[in-house]
Formats: sequence, structure tokens, C-alpha cells
Amino acid sequence: AQSVAQPEDQVNVAEGNPLTVKCTYSVSGNPYLFWYVQYPNRGLQFLLKYITGDNLVKGSYGFEAEFNKSQTSFHLKKPSALVSDSALYFCAVRPLNQAGTALIFGKGTTLSVSS
Amino acid sequence: DVKVTQSSRYLVKRTGEKVFLECVQDMDHENMFWYRQDPGLGLRLIYFSYDVKMKEKGDIPEGYSVSREKKERFSLILESASTNQTSMYLCASSPIGGRFNEQYFGPGTRLTVT
Repeated sequence: AQSVAQPEDQVNVAEGNPLTVKCTYSVSGNPYLFWYVQYPNRGLQFLLKYITGDNLVKGSYGFEAEFNKSQTSFHLKKPSALVSDSALYFCAVRPLNQAGTALIFGKGTTLSVSS
Repeated sequence: DVKVTQSSRYLVKRTGEKVFLECVQDMDHENMFWYRQDPGLGLRLIYFSYDVKMKEKGDIPEGYSVSREKKERFSLILESASTNQTSMYLCASSPIGGRFNEQYFGPGTRLTVT
């Protein structure tokens, strides 16, 4: 079955430190990969996506993600965390060979940035 | 900016009631989606639609139906609400050719069934 895994339910970092939120996927073929963020009582906001090309993708709010085909991973990173980055983060994948445009989402990782 | 709106932020219904959740998008998107979000389970796709009057089942369609009579509006219907349908419901839309396009989400409706 095609799936997305976010192995950490929660990630805690201090403000100013680098952060990483992990995502691995299991799909047939090459996927399109996405990261979304959800602030409390809000809908999901798009952060960034990988379609093709450079394995390092830059997105909104200073976030970036690195696609690693051999490890089937798409980890979200930021060089210096802010308290305002505290939120729920979702990784999502759309397999290339799957009909339709629906996304497969991970279970989410709560990022907590302390001051 | 794309705007996806949902009719209610919070909704409380009784078991057995028929419940309508409405979603409207203003960007002329062909694709629309309904997800439910539960802690520890992430987002799960209930139904989606490619076009007016078209619908496709997602991963968890049981107990739900949908209606898309106009391009901008996608309704989720709980025919007879049950307590296990207490959840956050998220609507999303994306343009045609959207295999590599991101989806745009509404603010969500938190439904409680008592």
C-alpha cells in the first residue's frame, strides 16, 4: 500500500536552533511531494513542493526540504527556528502513476519551538 | 489569493440528524476534496470531485455522500450522523492538471455529534 510516514509525533527545538521534521514515503514510481503547515484552529497552508529537478526545494517562511530518492525521504528543514514556527506539519505525496489528484497525507508532526 | 470558505467553523449535531457541510471556492478550480482530520491519523480523504456532478470515493466514504451542482460549491452530507463522525472536516480545491499543483484548504469545520 502506498503511504507516507512521519516517524516523530513531536519535535522540540529551542529558538534559533536548526530544525528538521522527517518524512518518508512508500509509493510506486516517482512521486510529487508536498509539505503543509497547520496553525491552531486554522486550515492547512502550503509550504513547498518537489516536482522534479534540484533535490533541495525552498518554500515559504524560510523553510526548505531535501528530496532523497535512495532513502525515499523528504525532510523539512529550517536553519533557525522561530517560536512562531510552532504548529502541526504534514507531509503529503501524490504518486505519478495514480489516477486523479488526491494526496496521501502523513499523520502529522507537532513542532514546538521554545524561547 | 485563492479563498476556500466553509459554512461553519463549529457545529454540534445530535445522533441521527442529517448534516450538511458546505464548501465554496472562488478560483474556478475544477478539483475539490473533502478530508477528515483526527489526532494521530492525519488527513483522510472522504470524497473528491473533478467537475460538476462528478464524484469519486476516497479512502473512507462510508456514512458520507457529496453533491456538486455548481463548480464553486462542494457539499458533504452525513445522512445520519453518528458519534464516530465527530471530527474536523477540511475542504480543499486545486486547478485542473493538478497532479503537481498544491491544494488550497478551507479553515475547517469542527463537528461534534452528541
